[in-house]
Amino acid sequence: DTEVTQTPKHLVMGMTNKKSLKCEQHMGHRAMYWYKQKAKKPPELMFVYSYEKLSINESVPSRFSPECPNSSLLNLHLHALQPEDSALYLCASSQDMSRYSGNTIYFGEGSWLTVV
Amino acid sequence: AQRVTQPEKLLSVFKGAPVELKCNYSYSGSPELFWYVQYSRQRLQLLLRHISRESIKGFTADLNKGETSFHLKKPFAQEEDSAMYYCALSGAGGGNKLTFGTGTQLKVEL
Repeated sequence: DTEVTQTPKHLVMGMTNKKSLKCEQHMGHRAMYWYKQKAKKPPELMFVYSYEKLSINESVPSRFSPECPNSSLLNLHLHALQPEDSALYLCASSQDMSRYSGNTIYFGEGSWLTVV
Repeated sequence: AQRVTQPEKLLSVFKGAPVELKCNYSYSGSPELFWYVQYSRQRLQLLLRHISRESIKGFTADLNKGETSFHLKKPFAQEEDSAMYYCALSGAGGGNKLTFGTGTQLKVEL
């Protein structure tokens, strides 16, 4: 199993709503990532969790709140978002945070978020 | 700072023609370079990485440190190669963290 599974695939939320995006992997990976991808743009890193601890926060606004409840799950809690936050949110995982040739980053299919 | 540049947003070639997708990078240390591909309605997936020096689906890419380039090449394009291709870099100081180029949409025409 080399899959990263994300739910929901599509989400529409109002600016006052609270919602969550979920990500799961069963590859035994200890690094998990959230990327944001706007239409026709490359993915941009938001957060990295390493061994269930937040390792990197790329100056993301506090209305995005990540959570890693265990080594297989990664959540992204959303609150008071703006329309410009509408994007594809990609979850990814890798063995760990080390740079070595076998440490491939695997991506999920993404969750399409629309903020109205 | 690390940066990846893909100068072409769209590259259109005929089936059987050679393909070269350009990628240049800016990084002061020893980067790892990757090509990721995203087929229509599919997830982003690793195509190849420079350190492996392998050929995947007929594609190859050579890291040229003098020209700071990592161009993706294939001698004969196939229709199924049509996709979005992203060049990405992982810097030494950032762990396994990817910086992506803006992507090149490859369209292979019959």
